[in-house]
Amino acid sequence: DAMVIQNPRYQVTQFGKPVTLSCSQTLNHNVMYWYQQKSSQAPKLLFHYYDKDFNNEADTPDNFQSRRPNTSFCFLDIRSPGLGDAAMYLCATSAFRVRDTEAFFGQGTRLTVV
Amino acid sequence: AQTVTQSQPEMSVQEAETVTLSCTYDTSESNYYLFWYKQPPSRQMILVIRQEAYKQQNATENRFSVNFQKAAKSFSLKISDSQLGDTAMYFCAFMKGDTGTASKLTFGTGTRLQVTL
Repeated sequence: DAMVIQNPRYQVTQFGKPVTLSCSQTLNHNVMYWYQQKSSQAPKLLFHYYDKDFNNEADTPDNFQSRRPNTSFCFLDIRSPGLGDAAMYLCATSAFRVRDTEAFFGQGTRLTVV
Repeated sequence: AQTVTQSQPEMSVQEAETVTLSCTYDTSESNYYLFWYKQPPSRQMILVIRQEAYKQQNATENRFSVNFQKAAKSFSLKISDSQLGDTAMYFCAFMKGDTGTASKLTFGTGTRLQVTL
């Protein structure tokens, strides 16, 4: 009963070659998040959507972009991946303004840059 | 801005024993949520337990319980009767309450828990 699904689980891309990671949800949550997690570190929020409203973190590089064409899907685009962008990318969702809110995470996409 | 601090990078506990993971946070908000998330080696983040700041009663979920000290801004996780499947990275996280815009999770740096035989 996967509720937040990320594809692919593993992605290898070449240095500088654009790559897109996808996330879908069956929870109908209005908020979707993208986190970057490097080895043995805490997840770092890149940006999030509240419905169609995009909220970028101040320190997220311009190299990272996102799209949310509808409630269910959200994409992370890395325009020119560098070696430092190799990481696990986590998608999460939550239902804003709901009591007892929590964030649900996907299994992540591990990105390797070669 | 909110900060979450986990001062124990690694901990070890024997199976069936009890272990406590520490977390402190700093915020000026009065309405917020605190969470403990578990991230096993398979890497999917799973919610362990949640605490609403307005509730004085400590949250419990089976073998997992918290000690929420609001004045001290402390939120520790106690795992009783530890099991091998509890081996994972544990993250403490903070989320502001209803602010009129969607809130985000702020994570601590994590505590790696190893349960041994």
